[in-house]
Amino acid sequence: QVQLKESGPGLVQPSETLSLTCTVSGFSLTSYGVNWVRQPPGKGLEWMGTIWNDGSTDYNSALKSRLSISRDTSKSQVFLKMNSLQTEDTAIYLCARGSFAYWGQGTLVTVSS
Amino acid sequence: DIQMTQSPSFLSASVGDRVTINCKASQNINKYLNWYQQKLGEAPKRLIYNTNNLQTGIPSRFSGSGSGTDYTLTISSLQPEDFATYFCLQHNSFPLTFGSGTKLEIK
Repeated sequence: QVQLKESGPGLVQPSETLSLTCTVSGFSLTSYGVNWVRQPPGKGLEWMGTIWNDGSTDYNSALKSRLSISRDTSKSQVFLKMNSLQTEDTAIYLCARGSFAYWGQGTLVTVSS
Repeated sequence: DIQMTQSPSFLSASVGDRVTINCKASQNINKYLNWYQQKLGEAPKRLIYNTNNLQTGIPSRFSGSGSGTDYTLTISSLQPEDFATYFCLQHNSFPLTFGSGTKLEIK
């Protein structure tokens, strides 16, 4: 069945770079895109960006200068990198398959010194 | 950016009640509106896609309606497992945007 699972460091220092991995199973990254979404504590969801099945990307303009999404199709993994992290980037980060029919459970990232 | 205004933020109801949750878009989203249920620590679950299409495996007590800027999720008869948080997603245009969520609690 379709599964997505986020992984990465739970704690990141301010000004450093966040690296997250979304490992998928049950489908091919060359057939479906993957989205990254985040939810700060007590706040709503924010779409961050999408990597499409052809490898092209779209980013939220609010994050575009700091954000990069890439993939390794052979490993069924999608990567998120975001630099210059601040405390307001503390959030649960989730990945979801192209049409948002399937989601991972999310991973909590805390930005703190 | 399209703003999605979801209401109410909190809803207290009893088993068997009929409830409605609303999402209002700041502009026409052409029925590209999905509804999700999320429980603590679990992945969000898609209930309805493109306004009124029931996701496979979702009970028929869930339904969606709307057009233009106004959309509604209806649960016809609440069951104990329905107490959760619900949110909407517009995928008409980038950036994709979400409603702020409705927490449905047991009265």
